[in-house]
Amino acid sequence: EVQLVQSGAEVKKPGESLKISCKGSGYSFTSYWIGWVRQMPGKGLEWMGIIYPGDSDTRYSPSFQGQVTISADKSISTAYLQWSSLKASDTAMYYCARQLQTRCFDPWGQGTLVTVSS
Amino acid sequence: QSALTQPASVSGSPGQSITISCTGTSSDVGSYNLVSWYQQHPGKAPKLMIYEGSKRPSGVSNRFSGSKSGNTASLTISGLQAEDEADYYCCSYAGSSTEVFGGGTKLTVL
Repeated sequence: EVQLVQSGAEVKKPGESLKISCKGSGYSFTSYWIGWVRQMPGKGLEWMGIIYPGDSDTRYSPSFQGQVTISADKSISTAYLQWSSLKASDTAMYYCARQLQTRCFDPWGQGTLVTVSS
Repeated sequence: QSALTQPASVSGSPGQSITISCTGTSSDVGSYNLVSWYQQHPGKAPKLMIYEGSKRPSGVSNRFSGSKSGNTASLTISGLQAEDEADYYCCSYAGSSTEVFGGGTKLTVL
C-alpha cells in the first residue's frame, strides 16, 4: 500500500524554527515528486511547492518562495518542510502528497497541524 | 498565480445531479488537460476524485465525472448521496512545474 505518514502536531512560539516530515512507503520514493500544501484554518488548499527526492530538484510557489524550505532525505524516504522563523500566520494544517506523472496528487499524508502562538 | 475560481457553495437533494465549475485562465486550465479534483471531508485529508480532467482513479464511483471547456473545468456528481457532502477543490497545472488550486466549494446535500 502506498502511504505517506507525516510527523505529529506542533505548537511553537513566533520566531522559533520548525521542520516537519513526510515519510513515504510502498513505492519507489525517488521516482515521484512530493508536494506540500497549506490549509489555513477554515480556508482552502494552497500549493506551496514540490521536490523530486531522486535529485532534490525543488520548485516553489512564488507565494512561499523564501518563506519555507523543502528538502528530502532519500536514504530514509522522507521529505521535509521547514521554517527558520515562524509567524502566527503560519498556523495551518500542512499536507504532503505524492505527485503522479499526470500532475495530480495521490495519496495524501494525514496532515500536520502547526500552531504558532505566543 | 491566482487561485482558480470556484463557487463558494452548491447544494442538491439526494438523487439529483450537481455541477461545480472551476475557472482559470489561458495560462493554466485553458492550456493543459491537467485538471484534478479532490474531495475533502471535515477533519480529513483530501482525496483524489478526477485527474487529467475526466479520468477516475480506481475505486472512485462513476457518479463522479469531469469535463473542460476553454478556461473552465467542471465536476459533475450524479445521483447525489449524503456521503458526497464535503468540500471539493480543483487543481490545475500552471506551467513551469507549478500547480494552482481553486478556492474550494462546499457541497451540501439537502
